[in-house]
Amino acid sequence: GEDVEQSLFLSVREGDSSVINCTYTDSSSTYLYWYKQEPGAGLQLLTYIFSNMDMKQDQRLTVLLNKKDKHLSLRIADTQTGDSAIYFCAEIIYSTLTFGKGTMLLVSP
Amino acid sequence: DVKVTQSSRYLVKRTGEKVFLECVQDMDHENMFWYRQDPGLGLRLIYFSYDVKMKEKGDIPEGYSVSREKKERFSLILESASTNQTSMYLCASSTKGWPYEQYFGPGTRLTVT
Repeated sequence: GEDVEQSLFLSVREGDSSVINCTYTDSSSTYLYWYKQEPGAGLQLLTYIFSNMDMKQDQRLTVLLNKKDKHLSLRIADTQTGDSAIYFCAEIIYSTLTFGKGTMLLVSP
Repeated sequence: DVKVTQSSRYLVKRTGEKVFLECVQDMDHENMFWYRQDPGLGLRLIYFSYDVKMKEKGDIPEGYSVSREKKERFSLILESASTNQTSMYLCASSTKGWPYEQYFGPGTRLTVT
């Protein structure tokens, strides 16, 4: 398909790891991005990965990239209630971003 | 800190009114974008601009126009608002080169009655 695909919903307990998955469309995308949106707010850039990398770690966040399968994942270690939000993956095509529809992460105490 | 501000958080307009949504960024970014966000549809690009007085259509430009007279300011115009334009509108800006990190404003929730 033409869309960036994400699962719609993920529920975890506080302290567990969360893994949010994404399938993108364009194998020539140079960068792939993860954004976070809290209720009533705009999108906040969390991290991005260059397409020649397999993995990028940034504190509690780990991004894994499988270019062969066009699969991107975001792992959040030790998930906290403050991580509850919608997470968007995005790919860049030319100079514009194409976003997935977002995964709502709910973290329960 | 990168700052993208939008003129209103909430706006209520009547059908047929002309509506202006303003966006200002303070990072000297060349690129600016307007998106709308709807439940179940995600973010869709309306227009973007890569320089002053330049504009490019995004995926859903119908019913909208834009204006960029100054580098820091990008306006979205609804010439004649309709109820199907009720939505959350998000503005973003980015540098011209890689990695094109886009920074978003807080959004304007527009209701057209």
